[in-house]
Amino acid sequence: AQKITQTQPGMFVQEKEAVTLDCTYDTSDQSYGLFWYKQPSSGEMIFLIYQGSYDEQNATEGRYSLNFQKARKSANLVISASQLGDSAMYFCAMRLTPGYGGSQGNLIFGKGTKLSVKP
Amino acid sequence: DSGVTQTPKHLITATGQRVTLRCSPRSGDLSVYWYQQSLDQGLQFLIQYYNGEERAKGNILERFSAQQFPDLHSELNLSSLELGDSALYFCASSVAGSDYNEQFFGPGTRLTVL
Repeated sequence: AQKITQTQPGMFVQEKEAVTLDCTYDTSDQSYGLFWYKQPSSGEMIFLIYQGSYDEQNATEGRYSLNFQKARKSANLVISASQLGDSAMYFCAMRLTPGYGGSQGNLIFGKGTKLSVKP
Repeated sequence: DSGVTQTPKHLITATGQRVTLRCSPRSGDLSVYWYQQSLDQGLQFLIQYYNGEERAKGNILERFSAQQFPDLHSELNLSSLELGDSALYFCASSVAGSDYNEQFFGPGTRLTVL
């Protein structure tokens, strides 16, 4: 069964430092996508970054980068130069390509990591 | 702003009642997904509709049902509500048919069952 594991319930980081949020995934399918979402205290889900299973380069979006290690089935999120506004819950999610393993493309989420940025 | 709208933003009701949550996807998106976020279960996929037809079911209770209308808006109906149904309910939409379908989330409806 497909599963996302985030082992860090909470993390602290000093403002302006980099932080890595861990994510491992479990699937036997070859085609999938990995996503990171941010959920601030206001509750909305904000898309941060995407990595496809066939992408050879690690994805980057501004201060966000995804450290994709396919053999280890890990997709860690790296936030550089942390800002106070980065304090939020962060969710790693996986999406199987529709048609593979019966998937219709819904997201499977981890339990999240609460990041707190200290001034 | 993701372009996905959900109403109402907050809903407070009593056990045994029935409520309807509404979602309007982004313009042009044919797929609508419903997710439930609760403290004990985390974020769970409930159900997906594509262009008016049910496509996939996740951990959706029999007391819950959904539909997608010709104008592509979707409604999630929750009946015989229990305390444990208190949660944040998200709707997400995407353009189906490609490998990479970013799902755009609405702001959510926070349901409180008293």
